[in-house]
Amino acid sequence: RKEVEQDPGPFNVPEGATVAFNCTYSNSASQSFFWYRQDCRKEPKLLMSVYSSGNEDGRFTAQLNRASQYISLLIRDSKLSDSATYLCVVSPSGGSYIPTFGRGTSLIVHP
Amino acid sequence: EAGVVQSPRYKIIEKKQPVAFWCNPISGHNTLYWYRQNLGQGPELLIRYENEEAVDDSQLPKDRFSAERLKGVDSTLKIQPAELGDSAVYLCASSLARGTYEQYFGPGTRLTVT
Repeated sequence: RKEVEQDPGPFNVPEGATVAFNCTYSNSASQSFFWYRQDCRKEPKLLMSVYSSGNEDGRFTAQLNRASQYISLLIRDSKLSDSATYLCVVSPSGGSYIPTFGRGTSLIVHP
Repeated sequence: EAGVVQSPRYKIIEKKQPVAFWCNPISGHNTLYWYRQNLGQGPELLIRYENEEAVDDSQLPKDRFSAERLKGVDSTLKIQPAELGDSAVYLCASSLARGTYEQYFGPGTRLTVT
């Protein structure tokens, strides 16, 4: 099992739809969680941090489920500009600190 | 505020040639990361620096890859000699410190080895 797994997609949704992605991780000691957005041939850009209590930023909501070891990203009212690849990154605490990225989930929002 | 700067943006070399990438992190960021990203994959950490000290370099292929961060600011990643399988995007990122701090990425260097 990979340390961090994501469904590569693509998720193909119409404008205005709600879409959700999950990211599972295998290291129960993981402490830091983030979602990044990466446009084609561009660098990853931070979308949002994922806190234990959840995090909401406009149309985006991130959740952490420690019991089942996954994080989620919910996008409401999808826009064409939301089309991108969404990467999750998980980092352990203490000791060797190696942030591990998932392979990303591709989202295509169509008119 | 300036972001992470990387150069060159693109590099095409023949196999067995050396190549070097340069990164200037965001001012005040103590932690610097070098990643390699292959097509369709997420970034994979090669090495992390805390100031000028290299830590977490277990995934750096030390037979051909080397890195340095003199004075704890700019960093250089070198490959010598390059192999066909080294073709990828090399990303540099920085953060205030390790742990819960988010990383900011540079635009990357797209390396093609022929």
